[in-house]
Amino acid sequence: EIVLTQSPGTLSLSPGERATLSCRASQSVSSSDLAWYQQKPGQGPRLLIYGTSSRATGIPDRFSGSGSGTDFILTISRLEPEDFAVYYCQQYGSSPQTFGQGTKVEIK
Amino acid sequence: QVQLVESGGGVVQPGGSLRLSCAASGFTFNNYAIFWVRQAPGKGLEWVALIRYDGSDKYYADSVKGRFTISRDNSKNKLYLQMDSLRPEDTAVYYCARSRGYLDYWGQGTLVTVSS
Repeated sequence: EIVLTQSPGTLSLSPGERATLSCRASQSVSSSDLAWYQQKPGQGPRLLIYGTSSRATGIPDRFSGSGSGTDFILTISRLEPEDFAVYYCQQYGSSPQTFGQGTKVEIK
Repeated sequence: QVQLVESGGGVVQPGGSLRLSCAASGFTFNNYAIFWVRQAPGKGLEWVALIRYDGSDKYYADSVKGRFTISRDNSKNKLYLQMDSLRPEDTAVYYCARSRGYLDYWGQGTLVTVSS
């Protein structure tokens, strides 16, 4: 199974700052098979990015994804108050699908 | 709009059984595979089971294989998860999610607590 390791575990930033979240895979993942989700307390996850860099419906363009092979990045260009949450990456090209352990973006 | 609403969670003793339901609306249910994904308290996401759009194929995580059964009723736009021989480590919020490979819509989840 492909293990996804997210870093850092927690990111402490202020509104307006740039956030860079990393997702590293234990083996190569096709660029078409990598997604990012946002989860806020008490809510189900929300799809942000699929296929490494395609934004889901309604997702603002301050969210962007990039990467290839084993290294993938989620960037939030300017943090808004509603962006403080936990973010998960997921690979869905290899069975079983797997998720990273999450990165918490907290207010500094 | 697309909605997925889980129900059926609760407190159950180890070794007991529980049946979760997921009611879908706002899309053509029988066109999509659906997942169950769980999240233990304070932990990350773990996929549990997957069923194809027509119910023809089902897949399970090793941690639940032989104990959980996923099914669907396309005439009722409903998904189910029959959970037997429950263990304390099955304690989690259980989500249903629509699959396009990635999971584009999720429910709010239902909490299952396995405890004596």
